Amino acid sequence: EAEVAQSPRYKITEKSQAVAFWCDPISGHATLYWYRQILGQGPELLVQFQDESVVDDSQLPKDRFSAERLKGVDSTLKIQPAELGDSAMYLCASSPVGGAVEFEETQYFGPGTRLLVL
Amino acid sequence: AQSVAQPEDQVNVAEGNPLTVKCTYSVSGNPYLFWYVQYPNRGLQFLLKYITGDNLVKGSYGFEAEFNKSQTSFHLKKPSALVSDSALYFCAVRPTDSWGKLQFGAGTQVVVTP
Repeated sequence: EAEVAQSPRYKITEKSQAVAFWCDPISGHATLYWYRQILGQGPELLVQFQDESVVDDSQLPKDRFSAERLKGVDSTLKIQPAELGDSAMYLCASSPVGGAVEFEETQYFGPGTRLLVL
Repeated sequence: AQSVAQPEDQVNVAEGNPLTVKCTYSVSGNPYLFWYVQYPNRGLQFLLKYITGDNLVKGSYGFEAEFNKSQTSFHLKKPSALVSDSALYFCAVRPTDSWGKLQFGAGTQVVVTP
């Protein structure tokens, strides 16, 4: 069964350092999402891509966060500089596009990257 | 603005008993509704969704959910809980006029005791 891949699984960094997370969606999935999940809360969308284009980045703290999906396949989320409050699980998800809405709507999540900022 | 409420932080149930996890929502228009499950230090696994049609939706691992438009609810149910069902469950909603973006509830921890 195809899965969303993410790396690293765990990252410990000091505040003010730069960190980067990588995501490889399920093959053929045109839509890619980055979510942040703070402990004890549900995931919150940071950015959504349709192929290589950003569809929604309204909740992305653009002063320190950036995301790219240059070739419309895999994606990188970067934080620079990291702050203590960035400690969270960063989840990547993908979904197909095209065809019936019932097929498009399901988002499939990767295992996540747990970030700890010291 | 849309919102999702999961009124119970934790649900405790004995193995073999019925399990219900509650979810209510507030959206403009007709919603798409989802349930996901999360095991410790893992990503979210899709359980089931309501898009249109029959209000009773059947999903993975014996779970089902009933869409109730008048009560704006989408409760998750399982007739006979297993210890392995112990996990964190999330309800999510997407308005039909807001492509892609899911609004998640805060989650409900399910504890199934032997």
